[in-house]
Amino acid sequence: DAKTTQPTSMDCAEGRAANLPCNHSTISGNEYVYWYRQIHSQGPQYIIHGLKNNETNEMASLIITEDRKSSTLILPHATLRDTAVYYCIVNQLPGSNYKLTFGKGTLLTVNP
Amino acid sequence: DTGVSQNPRHKITKRGQNVTFRCDPISEHNRLYWYRQTLGQGPEFLTYFQNEAQLEKSRLLSDRFSAERPKGSFSTLEIQRTEQGDSAMYLCASSLVPQWGTEQYFGPGTRLTVT
Repeated sequence: DAKTTQPTSMDCAEGRAANLPCNHSTISGNEYVYWYRQIHSQGPQYIIHGLKNNETNEMASLIITEDRKSSTLILPHATLRDTAVYYCIVNQLPGSNYKLTFGKGTLLTVNP
Repeated sequence: DTGVSQNPRHKITKRGQNVTFRCDPISEHNRLYWYRQTLGQGPEFLTYFQNEAQLEKSRLLSDRFSAERPKGSFSTLEIQRTEQGDSAMYLCASSLVPQWGTEQYFGPGTRLTVT
């Protein structure tokens, strides 16, 4: 699986958009970009995934660059409950061996 | 609550003792994963099952570790002769494959402390 690089930590004001970057320059054509988050003392939670098109769901938006070497997770209106470690993961198509390879992620702190 | 439950939530044991953890996945999910997470690190893959078959084991899973998933339902993870280095959070996840875009649903984890 391709390796990802994320900032160690970021801050965001409550109510503002949180933009979390991820670099995955060695991503291959059949690999997807997944985002999970882990709130303190809980298991990871799936947020969103995408291949090459931008994706949006009720939790977040995922913007993938045209060359697919980087992506940004956007939480449009961050709340205090969004404080968590966010993991960007590159993985192959679901249905194959789908084990997740987590890095250290980005600790997002949402401030009041 | 994701629908994946793990028991116990916390376990304190003395070095050399055996411990067993249980994971109950979402009922219709055919795939079950075990991960381990130490302080300040992301979860690390240990092993996974497709129904009752154990299809892959990480090199992290030493001979002291064994996992089972009888009848393709709940799973157990046993650690024999525990060591202090086994202290970690043990996470279970389940998913339904093959399904397009299937994510993994994680349980709350079992925190193991070996004294």
